[in-house]
Amino acid sequence: EVKLLESGGGLVQPGGSLKLSCAASGFDFSRYWMSWVRQAPGKGLEWIGEINPDSSTINYTPSLKDKFIISRDNAKNTLYLQMSKVRSEDTALYYCARGRPQFDVWGAGTTVTVSS
Amino acid sequence: DIVLTQSPASLAVSLGQRATISCKASQSVDYDGDSYMNWYQQKPGQPPKLLIYAASNLESGIPARFSGSGSGTDFTLNIHPVEEEDAATYYCQQSNEDPLTFGAGTKLELK
Repeated sequence: EVKLLESGGGLVQPGGSLKLSCAASGFDFSRYWMSWVRQAPGKGLEWIGEINPDSSTINYTPSLKDKFIISRDNAKNTLYLQMSKVRSEDTALYYCARGRPQFDVWGAGTTVTVSS
Repeated sequence: DIVLTQSPASLAVSLGQRATISCKASQSVDYDGDSYMNWYQQKPGQPPKLLIYAASNLESGIPARFSGSGSGTDFTLNIHPVEEEDAATYYCQQSNEDPLTFGAGTKLELK
C-alpha cells in the first residue's frame, strides 16, 4: 500500500524550531518529487515547497524561503521539513504530498502549534 | 505568483443535480500543449484527494461523475450527478509555474 506518514509536530514557542518528517512506504520514494503543503485551522491549502528525486532542485514559496528547509534521505525513504523562526501564523496542519505536477498521494498530516 | 480565483465560494446542490465550480488563473497555466491545472477534494478531517489532473484527466479510482475542462486561464470542475458523499471542499491548483498555488476553495453542500 502506498503511504505517507508525517510526524514531528507539536507545540513550539514563537521563534523556535521544529523538524517534521514524512516516512514513505509502498513505492519507490527515490523516483518522486515530494512537496510540503500546510493548512491553517479553518483555512485553505498553502504550498510550502518541493524537492526533486536527487535533491538537486528545491523550490519554496517565496514568503517561507528563509524560514523552512526541505530535505530528503532516499536511503531512509523520508522527507523532512526543518522549520525555524516560527510564528503564530505557522500554526497549521502540515502535509507531505507525492508527485509533480500533481499531488497524487497525501499523508494524514502532523499538527504544529506555535504558542508561548 | 499565479493567483487562482475560485467561484463560487460555496454552493448548495440537490442530489442528482449538477455542480459547477470555476477556477480562473491570473495568467495562463498552459505550457507546450498541456494545461497544468489540478483539482482536489477535501472532506473534514481528511487530507486532500486528487480528482482531476492536467485539466481534464480523471485520476484512477475517481468516479466518472467528476469531470474537468478548460485551458489557458479558465477551468471548470463539474460533478454530475451529485451524490451525498460529494459534500466537501474543492480546490484547484496550478503547477505550471513556481510557486505552486491553490485556489481558496469551494464548499459544496447538499440541499
